[in-house]
Amino acid sequence: GQQLNQSPQSMFIQEGEDVSMNCTSSSIFNTWLWYKQDPGEGPVLLIALYKAGELTSNGRLTAQFGITRKDSFLNISASIPSDVGIYFCAGQLGNAGNMLTFGGGTRLMVKP
Amino acid sequence: KAGVTQTPRYLIKTRGQQVTLSCSPISGHRSVSWYQQTPGQGLQFLFEYFSETQRNKGNFPGRFSGRQFSNSRSEMNVSTLELGDSALYLCASSLDGTYGYTFGSGTRLTVV
Repeated sequence: GQQLNQSPQSMFIQEGEDVSMNCTSSSIFNTWLWYKQDPGEGPVLLIALYKAGELTSNGRLTAQFGITRKDSFLNISASIPSDVGIYFCAGQLGNAGNMLTFGGGTRLMVKP
Repeated sequence: KAGVTQTPRYLIKTRGQQVTLSCSPISGHRSVSWYQQTPGQGLQFLFEYFSETQRNKGNFPGRFSGRQFSNSRSEMNVSTLELGDSALYLCASSLDGTYGYTFGSGTRLTVV
């Protein structure tokens, strides 16, 4: 099925470093969402973006909704060991009940 | 408030059998969606229900079906199980399906 292009696929970083990941699509979306998934659990919503150009923060996380509505990025500042997990972007057209289209995920691994 | 509850957490079934998975959404949420997650295909949309009506359906065979009850609880059924149906099945709920979804922990289905 269709997926968003999410990069990088994996990252191995030093604790304390900043992290950046992004998602691109050939289609426009009206909503961009960023989720984190820990092993054996469902995805947890980190940030939701509803307007093109919007920049939203949640603690050490910052995400932006691209102006073209075809991309979004997520930054994590000062990474810590509990940031380990898989991060997914998801786009939604915005019509009620419209499905989420997910990226392939970015696996984040942190060296202590 | 309680999150999205999925039961059972783990399930092992034999090829050819059928299975029913259950999802209780967050109180007040009327939209329930189902996703299949596999290592190869990632997160794929199955279907979405709102007020007991299926509003959207993904590209899955008719062996996959669902329903929603008047209290918004939802079930999904897979008949004539195949080995390839082994996956993490995730349920997500939303107020009305437009502003992001909260996921449950999933049901891990293994078909042998």
